[in-house]
This record gives sequence, structure tokens and C-alpha cells, in this order.
Amino acid sequence: KQEVTQIPAALSVPEGENLVLNCSFTDSAIYNLQWFRQDPGKGLTSLLLIQSSQREQTSGRLNASLDKSSGRSTLYIAASQPGDSATYLCAPPPHTGANSKLTFGKGITLSVRP
Amino acid sequence: KAGVTQTPRYLIKTRGQQVTLSCSPISGHRSVSWYQQTPGQGLQFLFEYFSETQRNKGNFPGRFSGRQFSNSRSEMNVSTLELGDSALYLCASSFILRRVSSPGANVLTFGAGSRLTVL
Repeated sequence: KQEVTQIPAALSVPEGENLVLNCSFTDSAIYNLQWFRQDPGKGLTSLLLIQSSQREQTSGRLNASLDKSSGRSTLYIAASQPGDSATYLCAPPPHTGANSKLTFGKGITLSVRP
Repeated sequence: KAGVTQTPRYLIKTRGQQVTLSCSPISGHRSVSWYQQTPGQGLQFLFEYFSETQRNKGNFPGRFSGRQFSNSRSEMNVSTLELGDSALYLCASSFILRRVSSPGANVLTFGAGSRLTVL
């Protein structure tokens, strides 16, 4: 059974700081991993999907890396802005069956101070 | 292109009642999955439907059920509501259901959710 850990649960940084959000998972037999963003009371927005054959995936100021062998993924946010304040969740799907049965971590709640 | 639409956005029920939530996926998406989000348990997978068939199911009691229609719209139902059912219910749709043998991408698009409060 896949278990996903995201530490710390909350993070507060000043605007402009570069930061790294970590995600650990127990079952490394995955095809890909998604990072999501959730604003308070809202649904999830997919930020990046990184394939198991990739080491990194970039979108604007966001960069996600995946190391299957160690069961870790990181989301790097460059030059953080107050608008980046949200909860960030990682979700590797199971390697068997449907890709939509994601196992989510509890998320990291990020607060970027102006 | 319209996103995933969930209705209603907010609802209040009392214990013992039942509730039906609706999800309209992105046009062309045939896979619809449902998740429950609570502060204590986080996001948990409920079930997934593809072509009107339930393909996967999470560890929830039989009070939680769902269905999918021929136009891919999906509904979930919770009967005999309990206080612990208070949660944000999220629906997600995707274009294809990845086969085990295919390592291709299958990005989920989530709706805004239905916030259920049980009193």
C-alpha cells in the first residue's frame, strides 16, 4: 500500500525566497507523480506531472524532480510570491490499475509573506 | 473549454438524511473519480467510473455509492449521513484510463468540490 509523506506540514517564508517542498513515498514502482496546488476551500489544480522516465519537469518558476529509487520527489519554487500561498500536495498513482486512484500526502501549507 | 463542474457547491444536511452530488467532466473525458477531503484524513479516494462501470473503489462503507451516465456525468450518493461525512467532496476527470501496460500520462483535472456539512 502506497504511503505518502510530506514534511513539514506548514511553511512560512518571506517573498522572493527560493524553496523546496519534499514528498516521500513508500512504493517506488510508479509510472509518474503529480504535484497539485489547493487554495483554501477550493479544488486541486495540477501543477506538474513528472513521468518515471524523467528526472525533472519544469513549468515557469516551478521545477519538480523525481527519484524513484529513493522514493522521493521535490517541488522547487523559485522567487516565491504571495500568490504562491496555498497547500501543495504530491500524489503518486499505483503501478497497477487506474492512474486516477491517487494516494495523496497531507500536503504542505505554504505562506509567502510580502 | 469548460472545466469539471460540481454541483451543488455547498449543502447542509442532518444526520440520517441522504445526499446526491453531481459531477460533469470535461468534454471528452470518460474517467471520473471521486475523493473525500477532511482535515483529519486528508484526501481519500472513494471510487472511479469509466464508461459507466466502476473500475476502482476505495475503503469506504457501502453508504457511499456512485454511478456514471452515458454522457460521462457522474453522481455520488451518501445514505444515512453521519457527522463524520462532513467533508469536501472532489470530483476529477481524465481523458483516458491508463492501462497497466502503458506508462503514459493521465492527468486528472479536479472540480471545485462540493462542501457537505452534516449537522
